[in-house]
Amino acid sequence: DQQVKQNSPSLSVQEGRISILNCDYTNSMFDYFLWYKKYPAEGPTFLISISSIKDKNEDGRFTVFLNKSAKHLSLHIVPSQPGDSAVYFCAAGDNFNKFYFGSGTKLNVKP
Amino acid sequence: EPEVTQTPSHQVTQMGQEVILRCVPISNHLYFYWYRQILGQKVEFLVSFYNNEISEKSEIFDDQFSVERPDGSNFTLKIRSTKLEDSAMYFCASRASGGFTDTQYFGPGTRLTVL
Repeated sequence: DQQVKQNSPSLSVQEGRISILNCDYTNSMFDYFLWYKKYPAEGPTFLISISSIKDKNEDGRFTVFLNKSAKHLSLHIVPSQPGDSAVYFCAAGDNFNKFYFGSGTKLNVKP
Repeated sequence: EPEVTQTPSHQVTQMGQEVILRCVPISNHLYFYWYRQILGQKVEFLVSFYNNEISEKSEIFDDQFSVERPDGSNFTLKIRSTKLEDSAMYFCASRASGGFTDTQYFGPGTRLTVL
């Protein structure tokens, strides 16, 4: 099951710079997309979401972009902070109650 | 801040044994979920539960698995006869309503080790 892919297992960014995390999906029926952050020994924490009727959603330092034709979404974190260091998962689904997760990207923000 | 809790934090069992993983969702939430994450792999959806019945389940959620809300607070996942490949981190989650904009809150997880 590779319906949602995060091709970069890790990303290293300097504090204050932009972090861009990418996610691709294969199922054109997916209409709902979410990003989660996960620290070790904790459950995922919801960050931001977007539905297919929009191409951008912004919440503070976090912005999610959706390109439906390319089946691609990205999460931008500006400015990046050391506390943002975590594993980031994207998830996608065609209804509210079943989401497919990517394999995660480990973000390291260097002070 | 209200949170989802899970017990135990770590469960070790022998292959073939039954295990019950317990979750206490946030009190006013109506939608409940189980996910699992095998070490080093992606988080996988198992099942969603609403109004005392399963609303969605994945291919992983076969006859070995069952969920129950035995009282007003607990939400349990039972694995009838555990296999080695069931070893994973199991996360419970809950949501206040079914709306997309409603946040899904995850518990800290139960690490299941099958020997």
